[in-house]
Amino acid sequence: DVKVTQSSRYLVKRTGEKVFLECVQDMDHENMFWYRQDPGLGLRLIYFSYDVKMKEKGDIPEGYSVSREKKERFSLILESASTNQTSMYLCASSLLAGGTGEQYFGPGTRLTVT
Amino acid sequence: AQSVSQHNHHVILSEAASLELGCNYSYGGTVNLFWYVQYPGQHLQLLLKYFSGDPLVKGIKGFEAEFIKSKFSFNLRKPSVQWSDTAEYFCAVIVYGGATNKLIFGTGTLLAVQP
Repeated sequence: DVKVTQSSRYLVKRTGEKVFLECVQDMDHENMFWYRQDPGLGLRLIYFSYDVKMKEKGDIPEGYSVSREKKERFSLILESASTNQTSMYLCASSLLAGGTGEQYFGPGTRLTVT
Repeated sequence: AQSVSQHNHHVILSEAASLELGCNYSYGGTVNLFWYVQYPGQHLQLLLKYFSGDPLVKGIKGFEAEFIKSKFSFNLRKPSVQWSDTAEYFCAVIVYGGATNKLIFGTGTLLAVQP
């Protein structure tokens, strides 16, 4: 089974802090994704990566950056956390080719910025 | 721009009632379609998917969905719901192009099944 793990289930940070959310997958998937999930808005794509050191902006990249130094690890960085970044953050991975595009999700990190 | 619409935001049913959740997408090309489910406190997980072939797709836990190309729809159905089906359901369509493929999600439908 594909396993996607995220470093924290719950995180509380102060406004202005730099925040790192880590994601690791164990199935050698090329693609990795970061979403935020908010009630009534569904899942919105922040950033994705299709290869090591490659990244592309999703639909809501403002205020975020990412890092992919190794194939299995994809980090989301909030350079200066703000209260409007309080949300559930989901990481996902998928095969680049040869599959149906199905994404496998981690358990999520619920981030509260005070 | 491609989009996915789920018109039912919150559905309340009694056990044994039948379920149909609507999903419409706007995308003119070839589509792969998915329904994901998120049970309380759990990961988002795949319920079923349409890739090609038979437009009636069967998934886990007795769920099924029908792809109707002419209506741009992929509605989720279950003949008889159980209390354990209480969850949030997301429809998604895959968009091909560029460096990789992206999933576009609907806003979700929260289903509450009353015992």
